Amino acid sequence: KQEVTQIPAALSVPEGENLVLNCSFTDSAIYNLQWFRQDPGKGLTSLLLIQSSQREQTSGRLNASLDKSSGRSTLYIAASQPGDSATYLCAVTIIQGAQKLVFGQGTRLTINP
Amino acid sequence: GAGVSQTPSNKVTEKGKYVELRCDPISGHTALYWYRQSLGQGPEFLIYFQGTGAADDSGLPNDRFFAVRPEGSVSTLKIQRTERGDSAVYLCASSLRGAWTGELFFGEGSRLTVL
Repeated sequence: KQEVTQIPAALSVPEGENLVLNCSFTDSAIYNLQWFRQDPGKGLTSLLLIQSSQREQTSGRLNASLDKSSGRSTLYIAASQPGDSATYLCAVTIIQGAQKLVFGQGTRLTINP
Repeated sequence: GAGVSQTPSNKVTEKGKYVELRCDPISGHTALYWYRQSLGQGPEFLIYFQGTGAADDSGLPNDRFFAVRPEGSVSTLKIQRTERGDSAVYLCASSLRGAWTGELFFGEGSRLTVL
């Protein structure tokens, strides 16, 4: 059974710092890995999608990497801003069955002005 | 509308009551997923529809939970004899072809509170 773990559960940093969020998964049989952002009381917004054949994806100040063989992904946020404060969720799309997403528990990020 | 719409946004009910949660996916999306998110946790898979049929209902916790999608568009998640442990945010997502494409769009969820 695929399990996804995110470390740390919560992170608080001053504005302007670069930071890294970590995600690990137990089964490398995945289609892709996604990082989502969730604001309080809101749904999920996809930030970056990495296909299983890819190593990384970049969007603006965000960079996500994928090492499928070791079951790890990182989300790098450069020059953090207060508006980046949110919960960040990592999810893998499993190959077996209904190709559903399996989520980690999320990292709650707070950027202090 | 342009996005996935879920109603009600908030539902408070008493233990033992019946509840229905509705999801209106993006027009033309054949794949529809229901997830449940408890406080401080990531979403947990409940059920997946491809068209009108439930392709995978392995995440439904017990027989009090049931979901339908009779015309391949709107879906309703039904919970009988609600329990306090059912309190959570129920998220719906739709996709044109399926989650494996990575194009999965989530609604804002229905927050269920069972007193």
